[in-house]
Amino acid sequence: EVQLVESGGGLVQPGGSLRVSCAASGFTFSNYWMHWVRQDPGKGLVWVSRINSDGSSTNYADSVKGRFTISRDNAKNTLYLQMNSLRAEDTAVYYCARESYGSGSLDYWGQGTLVTVSS
Amino acid sequence: SYELTQPPSVSVSPGQTASITCSGDKLGDKYACWYQQKPGQSPVLVIYQDLKRPSGIPERFSGSNSGNTATLTISGTQAMDEADYYCQAWDSNTVVFGGGTKLTVL
Repeated sequence: EVQLVESGGGLVQPGGSLRVSCAASGFTFSNYWMHWVRQDPGKGLVWVSRINSDGSSTNYADSVKGRFTISRDNAKNTLYLQMNSLRAEDTAVYYCARESYGSGSLDYWGQGTLVTVSS
Repeated sequence: SYELTQPPSVSVSPGQTASITCSGDKLGDKYACWYQQKPGQSPVLVIYQDLKRPSGIPERFSGSNSGNTATLTISGTQAMDEADYYCQAWDSNTVVFGGGTKLTVL
């Protein structure tokens, strides 16, 4: 069974940093591209970032470019999102999701981890 | 930047057909997919590559995509289908989501 379990969310002050993680199991993690998607409470889905299977290629939404870094450790089956210079508008539930091979859709999602940026 | 536009809400009576649209410039030239999200839950993929259903998704869910509009159709809508629905496409190596449509079954 495919499982994605996020962790690391919490309360952080504006300007601070936080790293969230996503532990993957039930599939060959190193074969798949992975994504981070966030959702403001009560709002819609917003794509954040993507990383290819070996970690050599990444893409970011303009709103986080230069502040967030996506990475992965295929030996640990874990995806990361390092978030720096956090702003109040980064407050959201952060989901990791697996990109379905060849289809461009996100076929499995984690349960999400809440990041709150507030003083 | 590329935008996908969805109606904020759609209402349907039980047993009837619900149609949710997603509009974007030349969207028909891209693949569209759809996600269902119920309150307090993570999104679930219900349609990918315009019209394909993942395993486990009921046959009453179908999709189409042509011109500037992709459409998610739910035939014989059930109360359990009440949820938020999001369309998604790709543009220049980035993922774009529509704003979401709240489907009410009443």
